[in-house]
Amino acid sequence: QVQLQESGPGLVKPSETLSLTCTVSDGSISSDSYYWTWIRQPAGKGLEWIGRFSTSEGTNYNPSLKSRVTMSVDTSKKQFSLKLTSVTAADTAVYYCARSVAGTADFDCWGQGALVTVSS
Amino acid sequence: EIVLTQSPGTLSLSPGERATLSCRASQSVRSKYLVWYQQKPGQAPRLLIYGASSRATGIPDRFSGSASGTDFTLTISRLEPEDFAVYYCHQYDSSPQTFGQGTKVEIK
Repeated sequence: QVQLQESGPGLVKPSETLSLTCTVSDGSISSDSYYWTWIRQPAGKGLEWIGRFSTSEGTNYNPSLKSRVTMSVDTSKKQFSLKLTSVTAADTAVYYCARSVAGTADFDCWGQGALVTVSS
Repeated sequence: EIVLTQSPGTLSLSPGERATLSCRASQSVRSKYLVWYQQKPGQAPRLLIYGASSRATGIPDRFSGSASGTDFTLTISRLEPEDFAVYYCHQYDSSPQTFGQGTKVEIK
């Protein structure tokens, strides 16, 4: 079964850019059969959809974050990435990458999550 | 954006009891685009139900989902010890996708 693994700095300073990578264990990152999504969860709180990437359809971001978010894919490395600029303490959260079949958002495969803390 | 309101916030039950969790949408959500997840402490969410009523692969049949208008229900027929967790509903009928705030099912 495919596995997803988030990686990146656990601590980011305010106003700087948060960068995370999700490594996919198989070659499905190259397929247009899947959507690749980022979701975050502040400690003790609920889930927030950040946005998704598809090789065939491009990106779709949450309007609340759209001005600060960029998602991309590097198929040669089997990775997709998230960049979030101008972070504040409100961006402190566990960040998850997830996969769904294209055309759906039934996330049947998740990474284990990466805690990112925004603090000076 | 569509707001999903889950109730109750916390459900205190004993193993073997029936759990009924509610998710109400602020606008119409087509059943096809309503999903339920289970999350345990320190873990990523796990897909339980998609299309409002279809069980995901490997999910026991004690979990069931239903829909009526803008109201969606997750039912756990007989709680097992491993079912005590937080449950989230999720819609992707309308962008942005949104999640409910969660219902915690705790041991009474």
